[in-house]
Amino acid sequence: DTGVSQDPRHKITKRGQNVTFRCDPISEHNRLYWYRQTLGQGPEFLTYFQNEAQLEKSRLLSDRFSAERPKGSFSTLEIQRTEQGDSAMYLCASSPPERTQYFGPGTRLTVL
Amino acid sequence: GENVEQHPSTLSVQEGDSAVIKCTYSDSASNYFPWYKQELGKRPQLIIDIRSNVGEKKDQRIAVTLNKTAKHFSLHITETQPEDSAVYFCAARANDYKLSFGAGTTVTVRA
Repeated sequence: DTGVSQDPRHKITKRGQNVTFRCDPISEHNRLYWYRQTLGQGPEFLTYFQNEAQLEKSRLLSDRFSAERPKGSFSTLEIQRTEQGDSAMYLCASSPPERTQYFGPGTRLTVL
Repeated sequence: GENVEQHPSTLSVQEGDSAVIKCTYSDSASNYFPWYKQELGKRPQLIIDIRSNVGEKKDQRIAVTLNKTAKHFSLHITETQPEDSAVYFCAARANDYKLSFGAGTTVTVRA
């Protein structure tokens, strides 16, 4: 499968714990995006990278959230001190500049 | 920022009938409008998109229309089939990276 991949697919954690998700984009895509999707809603933009540079962060991304793309390939999204309100599907997408975004399968986070 | 509204939230159609989903957007600078289909537990998949320099685009049973003046765009699915059952999301892009999504339409095709 040469599409966007995400790991893990599911994560259950206790409130207050830290979690980290990984996204591997389509290899030739230099843009990588993170979105959050809650039940019954469309995806909401969190942040995006062009190569290794993080160029935009949404107000939704509190200081407990951090994203990296150290070598311009895969990306990680870390949530520190998780809260129940962080429970959601975290989607990653990739694209060439100004082109169609292709989504990964998502990581479903449940915070107990 | 961009605000995208999508209607209806649920749509039930008889197999073979047509389905229409409508979206409006707020930012007149939006120039790209994709539609994604998301089946239960799966990733959103692009089914069709349209750019602001085009009024209509068709791909087999799926078509999208865009009215820039009224700031609305619509998805039309003809001859619906059971495999068309899914959640459909419209989106708009006003810059070169951020997609703003509607809340989704759950389409059920009755056999």
